[in-house]
Amino acid sequence: DAKTTQPPSMDCAEGRAANLPCNHSTISGNEYVYWYRQIHSQGPQYIIHGLKNNETNEMASLIITEDRKSSTLILPHATLRDTAVYYCIVRGGLSGNTPLVFGKGTRLSVIA
Amino acid sequence: NAGVMQNPRHLVRRRGQEARLRCSPMKGHSHVYWYRQLPEEGLKFMVYLQKENIIDESGMPKERFSAEFPKEGPSILRIQQVVRGDSAAYFCASSPGVEGNEQFFGPGTRLTVL
Repeated sequence: DAKTTQPPSMDCAEGRAANLPCNHSTISGNEYVYWYRQIHSQGPQYIIHGLKNNETNEMASLIITEDRKSSTLILPHATLRDTAVYYCIVRGGLSGNTPLVFGKGTRLSVIA
Repeated sequence: NAGVMQNPRHLVRRRGQEARLRCSPMKGHSHVYWYRQLPEEGLKFMVYLQKENIIDESGMPKERFSAEFPKEGPSILRIQQVVRGDSAAYFCASSPGVEGNEQFFGPGTRLTVL
């Protein structure tokens, strides 16, 4: 079972920041937080991951709370092409090749 | 650098036939994962392989399904005697095997069983 809790759906206006929350209150010290998204029926796309520090790349920013029990994925300027299902996944670090356990994710709709 | 490749992209089989799905990982990646997505459902892990070895097959149905990743060539997911319930999208992902490293997914194979 997925170890994360996400809202089932969110809307965001085009050009605004999309903030997607995720709760992972049972996360272990060596577990990473990963974010993927699936646009329509395409293969999941890796977005970002982190352990305890905030992370930023060309796609998004990941903010992890100090107690690591929750995190937020931020898409700074959402476009229509960001409409997708976003998955927050907790995954072991020491055995870093463990499979991904997908929950139901958050369906983000970016509205013009 | 080519991404993960899967073929065929679409496969139609009649009940009782065999389905063979192929996955070529990204260059330099030696770890392959197979996931299945049933219609209107989330992705479920099936099997994790390294070259010539099955590491974790806890998500594979016990019968009719098998997977391999030979020393040379793509990884193969084989479904024997397909049934309508096997209709789904099958995704392959690869990773280089470094701790904490991300998996990169292919475009998937959509299997339809008539």
